[in-house]
Amino acid sequence: AQSVTQPDIHITVSEGASLELRCNYSYGATPYLFWYVQSPGQGLQLLLKYFSGDTLVQGIKGFEAEFKRSQSSFNLRKPSVHWSDAAEYFCAVVGGSSNTGKLIFGQGTTLQVKP
Amino acid sequence: EPEVTQTPSHQVTQMGQEVILRCVPISNHLYFYWYRQILGQKVEFLVSFYNNEISEKSEIFDDQFSVERPDGSNFTLKIRSTKLEDSAMYFCASSERQGSWPQHFGDGTRLSIL
Repeated sequence: AQSVTQPDIHITVSEGASLELRCNYSYGATPYLFWYVQSPGQGLQLLLKYFSGDTLVQGIKGFEAEFKRSQSSFNLRKPSVHWSDAAEYFCAVVGGSSNTGKLIFGQGTTLQVKP
Repeated sequence: EPEVTQTPSHQVTQMGQEVILRCVPISNHLYFYWYRQILGQKVEFLVSFYNNEISEKSEIFDDQFSVERPDGSNFTLKIRSTKLEDSAMYFCASSERQGSWPQHFGDGTRLSIL
């Protein structure tokens, strides 16, 4: 069965520092992978997605992620974090019958940004 | 940009009562979803809906749950007899067509069962 693991439940970084959020997936075929962000009281906003092709994908708000098949990973990165990036981040993979588009989410990583 | 709209933002209900959560998906979208997120836990898939029928449901989506698109615009999730463990944030999502991503999510309804 498909699954997503985000090993870090909580991460704190200083404003201006670089960020990497880890995501590992389990999926038999080529996965469709996503990163969503959830600010307090808000819904889920798509940051970026990977379907195929270039393994380094660019997203909104200066985020990027790299798909590494050999490591079953899809880590999210940002070179310089802003205070407004404090939120919860979810990695997700399309699971089950792809025709239904069911998303399988990781546990989420809460990002705290220190001034 | 078109949005998925959910109402109410917060619902408080006595255990055993029926509750209906409402969603207005993006107007030209054809696939609809409900997810839930229990406090401190991951977002979990509940059900997907297409062409006026359920296309996939999870183990969570038991007989107490039902979905409906009563009027071509609203998409509702009904919990027939709520339990304490139904307390969660419920998210509606929609996508344009089969195999289309991303899914667009609403801001969620926080359901509190007393």
